Amino acid sequence: QKEVEQNSGPLSVPEGAIASLNCTYSDRGSQSFFWYRQYSGKSPELIMFIYSNGDKEDGRFTAQLNKASQYVSLLIRDSQPSDSATYLCAPSGSARQLTFGSGTQLTVLP
Amino acid sequence: SQTIHQWPATLVQPVGSPLSLECTVEGTSNPNLYWYRQAAGRGLQLLFYSVGIGQISSEVPQNLSASRPQDRQFILSSKKLLLSDSGFYLCAWSPSGVRETQYFGPGTRLLVL
Repeated sequence: QKEVEQNSGPLSVPEGAIASLNCTYSDRGSQSFFWYRQYSGKSPELIMFIYSNGDKEDGRFTAQLNKASQYVSLLIRDSQPSDSATYLCAPSGSARQLTFGSGTQLTVLP
Repeated sequence: SQTIHQWPATLVQPVGSPLSLECTVEGTSNPNLYWYRQAAGRGLQLLFYSVGIGQISSEVPQNLSASRPQDRQFILSSKKLLLSDSGFYLCAWSPSGVRETQYFGPGTRLLVL
């Protein structure tokens, strides 16, 4: 079992729809969870982090965390073509280092 | 504000040649520094991290090494490159005492032929 699992996609959604990106992790000691966006050929950019169970909203982005199920998700409301990128999930493990998933490729269709 | 630089942006090297990639951070003191590698279509693999000058932790044994000669400078090196060293090399920093919140530099794309 991989430490961090993400559906590689590609995930396609029409412009204006909600994109839902999911991530499961194996380290029960993980306390912090980070979402990065990576445009093709570019470096990852931090967009959200969440520490507590429940939802955290920041503009069009909502991160959801369920530690009991070892599951974290990212919702993007009103998706725009500029949201087309690969989204990386990164839990912080018991060693306080990030472990990155291989990412979900999102395409928002105009 | 903090800025992180990496150079070169791209590099094509023959197998067996040496390597030196440099990363510098501006606008912060005593940052934690990281080297990652991303192979095509893959996730990020942590190679080295440093919490201070001269303090290097290696995560993956291989033919690469890292050094931190100054507080905000991190160098990735190899004496002899392998084909498998090709990839996208990313330097990242996090605030002192906060390892998890990491910010990435623009990266160096390395192709070993």
